[in-house]
Amino acid sequence: EAGVAQSPRYKIIEKRQSVAFWCNPISGHATLYWYQQILGQGPKLLIQFQNNGVVDDSQLPKDRFSAERLKGVDSTLKIQPAKLEDSAVYLCASSLEIVGNIQYFGAGTRLSVL
Amino acid sequence: AQSVTQLDSHVSVSEGTPVLLRCNYSSSYSPSLFWYVQHPNKGLQLLLKYTSAATLVKGINGFEAEFKKSETSFHLTKPSAHMSDAAEYFCVVSDEFNKFYFGSGTKLNVKP
Repeated sequence: EAGVAQSPRYKIIEKRQSVAFWCNPISGHATLYWYQQILGQGPKLLIQFQNNGVVDDSQLPKDRFSAERLKGVDSTLKIQPAKLEDSAVYLCASSLEIVGNIQYFGAGTRLSVL
Repeated sequence: AQSVTQLDSHVSVSEGTPVLLRCNYSSSYSPSLFWYVQHPNKGLQLLLKYTSAATLVKGINGFEAEFKKSETSFHLTKPSAHMSDAAEYFCVVSDEFNKFYFGSGTKLNVKP
């Protein structure tokens, strides 16, 4: 079974530029998550999708971050404009919609904002 | 509300000696609890999960964890550390919407 795919693996941009990350979840997984992991910290949930609807985006800085999950499969996360403090690893995860179910994580995208 | 406290940011053990990584949780809901491991430049991998069945949970690579409701703890143990266990370990509690709350992580160093 293929895992969660993310691209790119690494991205370096200058502040005020825009950037987009892509995620393809495990086939059949209804729920998709985007996390931000700042160096030295645990991952923090940015947004959770159930199929193509948003379940929780309370921690998403909506003035600069946006995410979509068209057709309930792939998802993109965008930052526009980027700030220095956005430097982090962005992780995508997916799960079946059953409560208490395992989340499977992709390898992440490491973003450096200069 | 849910939260997780990992009591040690760094743990160092010698190869072949026991490992103990401590985790305390807070939950207003009957929790699901997980331990994940993260090797450098790799994604998070599930070690084990607890979902209100047996309180002693066995995971991969010889790890296990015991759920103690009275102590609100879910400590991770392994009888004998291996060099390949060196990584960062995260304790996680989930809520009724499957939202994950991560601890701040414990870096395990294994000395030869």
